[in-house]
Amino acid sequence: ETGVTQSPTHLIKTRGQQVTLRCSSQSGHNTVSWYQQALGQGPQFIFQYYREEENGRGNFPPRFSGLQFPNYSSELNVNALELDDSALYLCASSRAAGGYQETQYFGPGTRLLVL
Amino acid sequence: TQLLEQSPQFLSIQEGENLTVYCNSSSVFSSLQWYRQEPGEGPVLLVTVVTGGEVKKLKRLTFQFGDARKDSSLHITAAQTGDTGLYLCAGAIGGYNKLIFGAGTRLAVHP
Repeated sequence: ETGVTQSPTHLIKTRGQQVTLRCSSQSGHNTVSWYQQALGQGPQFIFQYYREEENGRGNFPPRFSGLQFPNYSSELNVNALELDDSALYLCASSRAAGGYQETQYFGPGTRLLVL
Repeated sequence: TQLLEQSPQFLSIQEGENLTVYCNSSSVFSSLQWYRQEPGEGPVLLVTVVTGGEVKKLKRLTFQFGDARKDSSLHITAAQTGDTGLYLCAGAIGGYNKLIFGAGTRLAVHP
């Protein structure tokens, strides 16, 4: 086990709704990265949060947003859900040391289904 | 656009056989990770390679990072049924270690 936890484990929403996914990072880690994994594909980088600020973003629209809290936990928010948003959402925690991000450790993911 | 191509996409072998999975890109990575993922779970880190030409061994698994840090391979010796799963390679880009993943190799080892 990595010590990274995510909630909820599963979620069903309808098109147009909004969703919030949560992630608690591993002890000692100060950075959280979020990834989207569609069925049969590898994970795609959404964004990373370090010291409560966005620290890099992948090719995702602005309706994907996030937060990081002082305890380094994080939320991923998705507005105006689309059918293609159905996927496994993974968070990964890591530690920044000397301006460099160390290896990322993944949580179990949240499976989102948009109907 | 940075892409990591993994091959083969699927592999079905008998217990005791050897296999190699490849991960190739035109991009240079600061490091490369190999993960194994079970259905409905998050990827579990197997190894991180950092130096060009580096070779790491984890029991029956041997990982190699290409000299130019653009490609990598995973070799499994005498595969066991417990090796069944999805194997993902991921290259790290930039100081914040954005991970670029391959599409994965789904391995099935039959008794």
